[in-house]
Amino acid sequence: EVQLVESGGGLVQPGGSLRLSCAASEFTFSIYWMHWVRQAPGKGLVWVSRINPDGSSTTYADSVRGRFTISRDNAKNTLYLQMNSLRAEDTAMYYCARETIEATGPGLDYWGQGTLVTVSS
Amino acid sequence: SYELTQPPSVSVSPGQTASFTCSGDKLGDKYACWYQQKPGQSPILVIYQDTKRPSGIPERFSGSNSGNTATLTISGTQAVDEADYYCQAWDSSTVVFGGGTKLTVL
Repeated sequence: EVQLVESGGGLVQPGGSLRLSCAASEFTFSIYWMHWVRQAPGKGLVWVSRINPDGSSTTYADSVRGRFTISRDNAKNTLYLQMNSLRAEDTAMYYCARETIEATGPGLDYWGQGTLVTVSS
Repeated sequence: SYELTQPPSVSVSPGQTASFTCSGDKLGDKYACWYQQKPGQSPILVIYQDTKRPSGIPERFSGSNSGNTATLTISGTQAVDEADYYCQAWDSSTVVFGGGTKLTVL
């Protein structure tokens, strides 16, 4: 069974930094595009970032570009999200998700359980 | 930036058909996906590439996409289907989600 397990969330002050991890197992991590998606309490899903299989190509939502960095270590089957200059509006549950293998119109077929990030003084 | 619009809520009686719309400019020219999310749980992909169901998703879930509107339909809605439903599309290399629709099974 495919598993994605996020960690690294917690309480951080505005302006602070946090690094999220997503440990993948039971699939060939190195051939899949991977994503981070967040959800503020009581709100909808918001896409954050995407990375290609070898880590050479990344894309970001406008709201986090320049502050967040997505990366991966295929040897460790782990996805990361480095979050800097955090703001109160970054408070959310952060999910990692796997992109389906389709070349066009892929979806996100497996999601982790999420890790909660709270930005507050 | 590209936007997807969903009505905030839909209500149906058990056994009836529930329909969810997702509107976006020329959405029919893109592929749409749909996710189900129950309270306290992670989202589940129920439809991708407009009409395809991942393995394990019941046949009562179906999708369509044309013009400016994608539609998710649940035939014979069950109480277990009560959840939030989100549509999703691609805008260049970025992912866009709709605001979500809450399904209440009365």
